[in-house]
Amino acid sequence: AQRVTQPEKLLSVFKGAPVELKCNYSYSGSPELFWYVQYSRQRLQLLLRHISRESIKGFTADLNKGETSFHLKKPFAQEEDSAMYYCALSGWGGSNYKLTFGKGTLLTVNP
Amino acid sequence: NAGVTQTPKFQVLKTGQSMTLQCAQDMNHEYMSWYRQDPGMGLRLIHYSVGAGITDQGEVPNGYNVSRSTTEDFPLRLLSAAPSQTSVYFCASSPGTGGGGYTFGSGTRLTVV
Repeated sequence: AQRVTQPEKLLSVFKGAPVELKCNYSYSGSPELFWYVQYSRQRLQLLLRHISRESIKGFTADLNKGETSFHLKKPFAQEEDSAMYYCALSGWGGSNYKLTFGKGTLLTVNP
Repeated sequence: NAGVTQTPKFQVLKTGQSMTLQCAQDMNHEYMSWYRQDPGMGLRLIHYSVGAGITDQGEVPNGYNVSRSTTEDFPLRLLSAAPSQTSVYFCASSPGTGGGGYTFGSGTRLTVV
């Protein structure tokens, strides 16, 4: 069974502070990992995926297979980063290619 | 290129009524999914499809039906609405593994009274 755990429901930081949103996963095989962001009552938007190794809006995430983690990091948080963040994973191909989400972390960046 | 389009945006149903949530995508994506989003529960997969004519159950399929007669459309049917189905429903589509992840629709906010 595939499972995604986001241990923090809420995370509050001040503007300019570093931020790290934690994500751990369980999957028998090599999953594809994603971070999605949802701004207030809007649709989910893809923020990052591990195979692209991009940096979007200053966010990065590294897949650590040993610790089965995919933590999201940003060195200097901005107020516009306040949103709900979801970590998700899928298998590779066919019926394995379906997203399983964590329960999300609500990030608040205070001025 | 409209992406993933969901209709309606809002709906109120009475217990026992049936309805269909529409989802259409114009990106020629093979994979489509339906999720429900509830406070504190994240997004849970209801049904998914890996191509036209192929559907399968997700984590919470009870009370919902789907069909995929075309690549573009993936409607979700509520057979007999219950208050427990009050939720926000999201449809998503993807070209598949390594193709850039899933693209989500704007959601349907459903209330069952």
